[in-house]
Amino acid sequence: QQQVKQSPQSLIVQKGGISIINCAYENTAFDYFPWYQQFPGKGPALLIAIRPDVSEKKEGRFTISFNKSAKQFSLHIMDSQPGDSATYFCAAYSGSRLTFGEGTQLTVNP
Amino acid sequence: NAGVMQNPRHLVRRRGQEARLRCSPMKGHSHVYWYRQLPEEGLKFMVYLQKENIIDESGMPKERFSAEFPKEGPSILRIQQVVRGDSAAYFCASSLLGSLSYEQYFGPGTRLTVT
Repeated sequence: QQQVKQSPQSLIVQKGGISIINCAYENTAFDYFPWYQQFPGKGPALLIAIRPDVSEKKEGRFTISFNKSAKQFSLHIMDSQPGDSATYFCAAYSGSRLTFGEGTQLTVNP
Repeated sequence: NAGVMQNPRHLVRRRGQEARLRCSPMKGHSHVYWYRQLPEEGLKFMVYLQKENIIDESGMPKERFSAEFPKEGPSILRIQQVVRGDSAAYFCASSLLGSLSYEQYFGPGTRLTVT
C-alpha cells in the first residue's frame, strides 16, 4: 500500500506548548521520511527528515521520532510559536516519489 | 541561489482550453517531479522526469495530461481541454542526481482555476 495516514487534521496549541503530529505508513519499502511545512499560497518547504535506521532526529525545536516496528513516526515542535502556524505534511519516499499524508493545520495562539 | 521557479503563479482557463505550466529546477538539479494538490488535501505524485526522459508517469491521468523536460529550457506540464476538476495547485519539485534524489525541493506552485 502506498498510503501515509496523518493525524490530527487540525491542532491548536498555546505559545510555548508542544505540538505533536503523527503519521503511520504501511509500505516497508519506504526509506526516507521527511516533514514539510507549508504556508498559505506557498509551496511545501522541507523541514526535517529521518532515515528508518534512526529512532530520533532533532534540529532546533523540531524533533522526529521514528518507530520502525510500529511503522509510525511523529513530529514534535517544542516551544511552539505563532510563526509556526502552518500546514504540516509528513511524507514517505520510495522509488523516486514522495507519498504525502493529508496534512495537519497547526495554529499556535499567542 | 535561486530555488525552484514556477510560472505562471496563477492561471485561469475556461473549460476546453489548454493549460501550460512551467518549472525551472534549482541550479544543478536534473530531476523534476510534478505533484497536484487539491483543496484541503495533500500532494499527489504525478510524474518524474529527467532531461529528455519520462522516468515515471504512473500518477498522471491517462488522457489530456502530458509532461516534458527538454534538453534546454524548463519542464512543461500540459493539460489539454481542461475541465473544472483540473482546478488545483500544481507543484514542481527538483532534486539532485542519484543518492540525494530523495531530497525534493518545491517551487511556489501554479494555481490553476478552470471556469
